[in-house]
Amino acid sequence: GDSVTQMEGPVTLSEEAFLTINCTYTATGYPSLFWYVQYPGEGLQLLLKATKADDKGSNKGFEATYRKETTSFHLEKGSVQVSDSAVYFCALSDPATDSWGKLQFGAGTQVVVTP
Amino acid sequence: NAGVTQTPKFQVLKTGQSMTLQCAQDMNHEYMSWYRQDPGMGLRLIHYSVGAGITDQGEVPNGYNVSRSTTEDFPLRLLSAAPSQTSVYFCASSKQDRGPYEQYFGPGTRLTVT
Repeated sequence: GDSVTQMEGPVTLSEEAFLTINCTYTATGYPSLFWYVQYPGEGLQLLLKATKADDKGSNKGFEATYRKETTSFHLEKGSVQVSDSAVYFCALSDPATDSWGKLQFGAGTQVVVTP
Repeated sequence: NAGVTQTPKFQVLKTGQSMTLQCAQDMNHEYMSWYRQDPGMGLRLIHYSVGAGITDQGEVPNGYNVSRSTTEDFPLRLLSAAPSQTSVYFCASSKQDRGPYEQYFGPGTRLTVT
């Protein structure tokens, strides 16, 4: 079945450091890929998405590129801020297995940014 | 729009008790779903609904029941609470035509079963 694997956390960084969170997937069909973010005490929010190979999703300084050849969707940000401290989830939606858009989530990666 | 709302925010139950977690959305979304979040396991789908009167099981449905009598509401019932159901529960909704299926999440309900 479909699955998402992302790097374990916590990832601890200093402010203005470069952030990368690795995400790889397996899917039956041709999935859409997402990054969701969960700030402390809140629900998940969509951060960015990509629907086809080589698409780059971007939002709030974060970027991720859909790499079909490596089945990856790594999240990057060039200069993190304390306000970026959160849990980040990689997810996929595979129309080959679920026509309504069920999300398959990775385990989540906690990011802690210190001043 | 209030978006997706969930009540209560926190709940403590004793083993064997039953309760209903409430979820409502005011965005006229067709799809609604319930997830549970456990450390190191991401979010796992419990039940989902593709419209009023239609529900189906997700990955971890045992011990939970749902119904969808209106487009707006999608309550989750715990039939006989067990400590293994201690978790954070999220309700989500999405519109059918907003592909690729961006989902909107509620703030969550933190449930502890003693």
